[in-house]
Amino acid sequence: SQQGEEDPQALSIQEGENATMNCSYKTSINNLQWYRQNSGRGLVHLILIRSNEREKHSGRLRVTLDTSKKSSSLLITASRAADTASYFCATDQAGTALIFGKGTTLSVSS
Amino acid sequence: DAGVIQSPRHEVTEMGQEVTLRCKPISGHNSLFWYRQTMMRGLELLIYFNNNVPIDDSGMPEDRFSAKMPNASFSTLKIQPSEPRDSAVYFCASSLRQGAQETQYFGPGTRLLVL
Repeated sequence: SQQGEEDPQALSIQEGENATMNCSYKTSINNLQWYRQNSGRGLVHLILIRSNEREKHSGRLRVTLDTSKKSSSLLITASRAADTASYFCATDQAGTALIFGKGTTLSVSS
Repeated sequence: DAGVIQSPRHEVTEMGQEVTLRCKPISGHNSLFWYRQTMMRGLELLIYFNNNVPIDDSGMPEDRFSAKMPNASFSTLKIQPSEPRDSAVYFCASSLRQGAQETQYFGPGTRLLVL
């Protein structure tokens, strides 16, 4: 079963704009991760945020986590055409494998 | 490191044939995962192993699917007999499970088409 649900399903923006994707989940987690998948490739890990953290940065990525709302957001600033990909959140509960959402497809046009 | 290696990258077969997908995890990783990805169902976890032992195979669709991990550096996913609805991209991923934090490293996938 899938726990994480990304929103929106698809997002189209222009280069230089910011892209925000959201993820909601259902049960308590140990941590939440975001992955990127370029067309025809495997998923690549982007960032992990622990359940006791509220915000984390990595380069142009900013992730927030609100455990009271069971939600997370991924912000990509100053987007580039190379950011075009699908983005997945994955949650980690104790004793289980990661559970991935269905992803947000981001298209960045130049 | 070469990363997770999967073979073949593409497979086209006819309904009823046996299909074997192969995976070599990253050296030193102790967990291995098989996923299936389709447009309709997204990314589904089929089975995962920890220290070569199957931990959860509840995602395996039916008895036609089987997976083995005879050693720490090799795993197979077999479909017998294959059906058109098995057409999908199959990913293998591995991780070094340490406590509650786990980052998975995915292979490039095997694109399977069953005619």
